[in-house]
Amino acid sequence: AQTVTQSQPEMSVQEAETVTLSCTYDTSESDYYLFWYKQPPSRQMILVIRQEAYKQQNATENRFSVNFQKAAKSFSLKISDSQLGDAAMYFCAYRSAKTSYDKVIFGPGTSLSVIP
Amino acid sequence: NAGVMQNPRHLVRRRGQEARLRCSPMKGHSHVYWYRQLPEEGLKFMVYLQKENIIDESGMPKERFSAEFPKEGPSILRIQQVVRGDSAAYFCASSPPNRVYGYTFGSGTRLTVV
Repeated sequence: AQTVTQSQPEMSVQEAETVTLSCTYDTSESDYYLFWYKQPPSRQMILVIRQEAYKQQNATENRFSVNFQKAAKSFSLKISDSQLGDAAMYFCAYRSAKTSYDKVIFGPGTSLSVIP
Repeated sequence: NAGVMQNPRHLVRRRGQEARLRCSPMKGHSHVYWYRQLPEEGLKFMVYLQKENIIDESGMPKERFSAEFPKEGPSILRIQQVVRGDSAAYFCASSPPNRVYGYTFGSGTRLTVV
């Protein structure tokens, strides 16, 4: 069975600085999708970024980028120029490409605080 | 185009009562997923439904929990005889057919059992 681990329960970053959130996963599959989700206090789950395992190039979305290390099964999220609105829970997630539907496995989350 | 609508947003039930959580998917979405988020934890998959069919219920507790997605109307997650351990946020997500990762999440229902 696949698992997703986030070893940092809490992180903090100074406004305008850069922070990296860690994620590792365990799978025997070669084709899959990885995601980072943001959950602000409103509880809404917001997709931040998505990575297909078959793509070597790291995904980027504005100030958010990932470092995908397939061999190491590592998928970290870098947030540049941190803003107060980035404060939230961040969840790393995995979806197998074998299934025809979107059954997603989430990590336990990292709580990010942004210090003004 | 309204997003995924979940209601109620907050639900309080006494131990032993029934809880009914509703999810109306986005227009054009025929696939519905339910997830549970216990305090201080990530979301855990519960069940995947298409119209009138349960496709994968591997994450559903064996007793007291059931889900349906009728031909007409919202998807319902029903919890019978609730216990304190059922207190959690329950999220619904919907997606259109034939599209990889077309998820849209609702805002969740927070169930509190007193």
